[in-house]
Amino acid sequence: EAGVAQSPRYKIIEKRQSVAFWCNPISGHATLYWYQQILGQGPKLLIQFQNNGVVDDSQLPKDRFSAERLKGVDSTLKIQPAKLEDSAVYLCASSLGAGVADEQFFGPGTRLTVL
Amino acid sequence: AQKVTQAQTEISVVEKEDVTLDCVYETRDTTYYLFWYKQPPSGELVFLIRRNSFDEQNEISGRYSWNFQKSTSSFNFTITASQVVDSAVYFCALRGYGQNFVFGPGTRLSVLP
Repeated sequence: EAGVAQSPRYKIIEKRQSVAFWCNPISGHATLYWYQQILGQGPKLLIQFQNNGVVDDSQLPKDRFSAERLKGVDSTLKIQPAKLEDSAVYLCASSLGAGVADEQFFGPGTRLTVL
Repeated sequence: AQKVTQAQTEISVVEKEDVTLDCVYETRDTTYYLFWYKQPPSGELVFLIRRNSFDEQNEISGRYSWNFQKSTSSFNFTITASQVVDSAVYFCALRGYGQNFVFGPGTRLSVLP
């Protein structure tokens, strides 16, 4: 079974530029998550989708971050404009459902460096 | 509020030593799950174990074992006879009913040959 796919794996941009990340979850997984992992810290949830609807985006900086999951499968996360503090690894995860016991499967992440 | 603390930032051991990674959590939920994930240098988080709040039985899986103690709000992870391949960052995480994951800051384990 294919895992969670993410691209690109690495991205370097200058501050104030825009960037987009793509995630393809495991087939059949209804729930998709985007996490931000700053160096030396644990992942922090940015947004959770159930199919193509947003369940939780309380920690998403909506003035610069946006995400969508059209057709309830692939998802994109965009940052516009980027700031230095956005340098982090952006992890996508998916699970069958949104239940508390549902295991999340993580992708390899996209490492963003903002100069 | 939910919180996970992993007091050990970095641990170094020599191969074949046993090592315990500590995890202490805070939650007001009575129903919750605890998880351990491994993050090797490749970056992908790998699921190791899930435990629900009603099951305090310790678990052993090969060289890995977990000790869950509700009385001290701890969920510690022991690797027996460590190997170089165990070198990674290990995260403890908590998920309450209707809540999302809260991850600890992680413990970087280096196993030296």
